[in-house]
Amino acid sequence: TQLLEQSPQFLSIQEGENLTVYCNSSSVFSSLQWYRQEPGEGPVLLVTVVTGGEVKKLKRLTFQFGDARKDSSLHITAAQPGDTGLYLCAGVTSMGNAGGTSYGKLTFGQGTILTVHP
Amino acid sequence: DTEVTQTPKHLVMGMTNKKSLKCEQHMGHRAMYWYKQKAKKPPELMFVYSYEKLSINESVPSRFSPECPNSSLLNLHLHALQPEDSALYLCASSRRLSSNTEAFFGQGTRLTVV
Repeated sequence: TQLLEQSPQFLSIQEGENLTVYCNSSSVFSSLQWYRQEPGEGPVLLVTVVTGGEVKKLKRLTFQFGDARKDSSLHITAAQPGDTGLYLCAGVTSMGNAGGTSYGKLTFGQGTILTVHP
Repeated sequence: DTEVTQTPKHLVMGMTNKKSLKCEQHMGHRAMYWYKQKAKKPPELMFVYSYEKLSINESVPSRFSPECPNSSLLNLHLHALQPEDSALYLCASSRRLSSNTEAFFGQGTRLTVV
């Protein structure tokens, strides 16, 4: 079983602070995705990183995929109350072949509950 | 249309009831998923359908029965559930079941078993 360890589990900060969430594994992933989920809603895809060492930016959010494709980080600059939510990393593992097409399975980290206070 | 639509949004059922959860997408995605999520925990994979065929069953109890009538629809039939089955049930879809799967989630059905 491939596991993704996400840290910290809980983060409570003031508006304007910076933060980093980490997602680590001993396994290699084909790609890794970050989702944000608000209470009572489904997870919303933020970004997918595929290449080792890749860095992607989405406004104040910066996502990085480790060189070995085993870990990733999410950095938020100048956090806003609207950033509050559950942040989930999810790694895609290649499962094999079906009908000539390789297919993958999504494994989620434990999640980070972020609260940004005004 | 870039949405995955789930109905109902909320469901309360007794342990002897039979009910169904529905999921629909019109993005042409050929892989569809059911996940179960407890409060403040990550989603747990239950079933995966690829091209309308069941590809993955994560050892889910038989009181949960998935069905994929066509490429746009996914159902989850519920029968004789237990209170511990109360959770948010999420449907997701992706273009195909690939090694770079990007899953898009519905809003979920909040299920309470009484």
